[in-house]
Amino acid sequence: AQSVTQLGSHVSVSEGALVLLRCNYSSSVPPYLFWYVQYPNQGLQLLLKYTSAATLVKGINGFEAEFKKSETSFHLTKPSAHMSDAAEYFCAVRAHGKTANNLFFGTGTRLTVIP
Amino acid sequence: EPEVTQTPSHQVTQMGQEVILRCVPISNHLYFYWYRQILGQKVEFLVSFYNNEISEKSEIFDDQFSVERPDGSNFTLKIRSTKLEDSAMYFCASSGSNQKNSPLHFGNGTRLTVT
Repeated sequence: AQSVTQLGSHVSVSEGALVLLRCNYSSSVPPYLFWYVQYPNQGLQLLLKYTSAATLVKGINGFEAEFKKSETSFHLTKPSAHMSDAAEYFCAVRAHGKTANNLFFGTGTRLTVIP
Repeated sequence: EPEVTQTPSHQVTQMGQEVILRCVPISNHLYFYWYRQILGQKVEFLVSFYNNEISEKSEIFDDQFSVERPDGSNFTLKIRSTKLEDSAMYFCASSGSNQKNSPLHFGNGTRLTVT
């Protein structure tokens, strides 16, 4: 069965510092992986997705994620944090199987950016 | 950019009452979903819907829940007799295809409070 694990429920970084949010997946087949962001009082917005075309995926707002099969990881990074990046970030994996199409979400990581 | 809209943004109801949460998916999308997020917990899949029928549901989606697409634009989630533990943020989502790399587009959610 597919699942994702996000290490660290809270991450704090200084403005301008590197952002690294961790996600490890469990899947018996090549996974389809997604990162979503949730700003306060808003819904889930797609940041980026991995679909096997390239291991380094670029998303919106300067975020990117690298798929590493050997580490079963899909960590989210951004070189320089902005105050506006403060939000909750969710890693998700698509269900496997012909009819199953839902997303399994991780527990989320709340990012705080310190001025 | 087209978006998924949900109404109301906040619903307060008494235990035992019926509630209907409404969603307008993106107009050319064919696959619809409901998720929920209990405060402080992960986003959980409830149900997916395609071609006027449920295609998949989780163990959370018991007989108290139902979904409907009453017309060409709305997609509703009904909870027949609400319980305290139904208090959560409910997210509607839609996608344009059932391809595994097709992302889900989420609404801003309805916060349901059962008292």
